[in-house]
Amino acid sequence: DARVTQTPRDKVTEMGQEVTMRCQPILGHNTVFWYRQTMMQGLELLAYFRNRAPLDDSGMPKDRFSAEMPDATLATLKIQPSEPRDSAVYFCASGLVSNTGELFFGEGSRLTVL
Amino acid sequence: QKEVEQNSGPLSVPEGAIASLNCTYSDRGSQSFFWYRQYSGKSPELIMSIYSNGDKEDGRFTAQLNKASQYVSLLIRDSQPSDSATYLCAVEYNNDMRFGAGTRLTVKP
Repeated sequence: DARVTQTPRDKVTEMGQEVTMRCQPILGHNTVFWYRQTMMQGLELLAYFRNRAPLDDSGMPKDRFSAEMPDATLATLKIQPSEPRDSAVYFCASGLVSNTGELFFGEGSRLTVL
Repeated sequence: QKEVEQNSGPLSVPEGAIASLNCTYSDRGSQSFFWYRQYSGKSPELIMSIYSNGDKEDGRFTAQLNKASQYVSLLIRDSQPSDSATYLCAVEYNNDMRFGAGTRLTVKP
C-alpha cells in the first residue's frame, strides 16, 4: 500500500532549537509539497519540488526555514532556529504531474515549540 | 497573490439534507480544481476533481465550476454523520497547489 511517510509524528522542542522533518514520497511521484496547517491560517503552502528541483519556496520564512530534496526518496524541511509561532502540523504531499493533480498526504508532523 | 477563499463555517445540516460548500479563487489562470476532505486529526484526502465549467457528479457528491465567476462549489446530497469533516478547496495553477482554509461541516443525526 503506497503512502507518504513523514517523521517525526510529534516533536516538542524549545525555542531556538533546530528541527528537521523528513518525508518519503510515494515511489514514482515527481512532485513534493510541504504545507503547514494551523487553526488560524489553514493549509499554507511552504515549498514544492518537481523532479527534485525546487519550484517555489516563497511561502517559507527564508531566514529560518529551508527545504531540500537530496534524492527522489527523501524531502526535508528544516527550521533553525525554531520559534513558538512555528508550532503547527506540517504536511508533506506527493503527486504525479501527469496524474490530474491529485496529491497524497502524509500523516503530518505535529511540532510544538515551547 | 494566489488566494483561495472559503467560508470557515461551521456549517451544520441535518442528516439527509443537502450540504453546500463554496469556494472562490483569485487567479484566472487556474486550471484544475479539487475538493479534499479532512477528518479531525487526520490528513486531507481527495474526494472530487473538476477541470471544466459545469457540474461533475460522483455518487452523493457534485462539484460545480464557473470559471467566469471564479467559483467552485461542492454539494453533498443525503448528508450522513460520517460526512462531518473539514472540506478544503484546492486550486492548481502550473502545478502550484493552493488550499483554502476549509469549511467545517457537521451533519447532525
